[in-house]
Amino acid sequence: SQTIHQWPATLVQPVGSPLSLECTVEGTSNPNLYWYRQAAGRGLQLLFYSVGIGQISSEVPQNLSASRPQDRQFILSSKKLLLSDSGFYLCAATGAKAFFGQGTRLTVV
Amino acid sequence: QKEVEQDPGPLSVPEGAIVSLNCTYSNSAFQYFMWYRQYSRKGPELLMYTYSSGNKEDGRFTAQVDKSSKYISLFIRDSQPSDSATYLCAMSKVQGAQKLVFGQGTRLTINP
Repeated sequence: SQTIHQWPATLVQPVGSPLSLECTVEGTSNPNLYWYRQAAGRGLQLLFYSVGIGQISSEVPQNLSASRPQDRQFILSSKKLLLSDSGFYLCAATGAKAFFGQGTRLTVV
Repeated sequence: QKEVEQDPGPLSVPEGAIVSLNCTYSNSAFQYFMWYRQYSRKGPELLMYTYSSGNKEDGRFTAQVDKSSKYISLFIRDSQPSDSATYLCAMSKVQGAQKLVFGQGTRLTINP
């Protein structure tokens, strides 16, 4: 079965600190990978998607970046977090269907 | 105009009621339609997946697609308190698409 491992589940970081969220996928090969952010009570905002190793497309300008060092690994990073980066971050993958990880709740203080 | 419109609710119904959740869309190229259920503080889980127009049934859940009207629905029969969650519709032009387009999500509460 297809599974996404996403960690950590919860993170509290001070403003200006760096960020690294990791996502790994099992059960499918050559998936398209996505990072979404979900603000409280709002829909999913697509941040980045990747169709292959080293191929990243950015959907919104921001101080976040993404990398895909391996086929089933997707990393979301920031050099300096802003208060506005707080939110619920979700990693997703599409093989035959789209499925999600359990998310990371990030609070920037 | 957003590509996908979904009433955010909240929607509150008594246990046992039939629930109807809906999305409209503007892009006629969408072919694959999905419904996700998201419990609080969890990632969305795929509930229903349909291709093109028609109905699909899975237990108490029925997904309906009307491409001529650009309208999709999710029906929940005999609703249970455990169905309380946010329901997101999503759609794409091709299978395994580079981009999925999501609705805003409808927050549903089933009252015992």
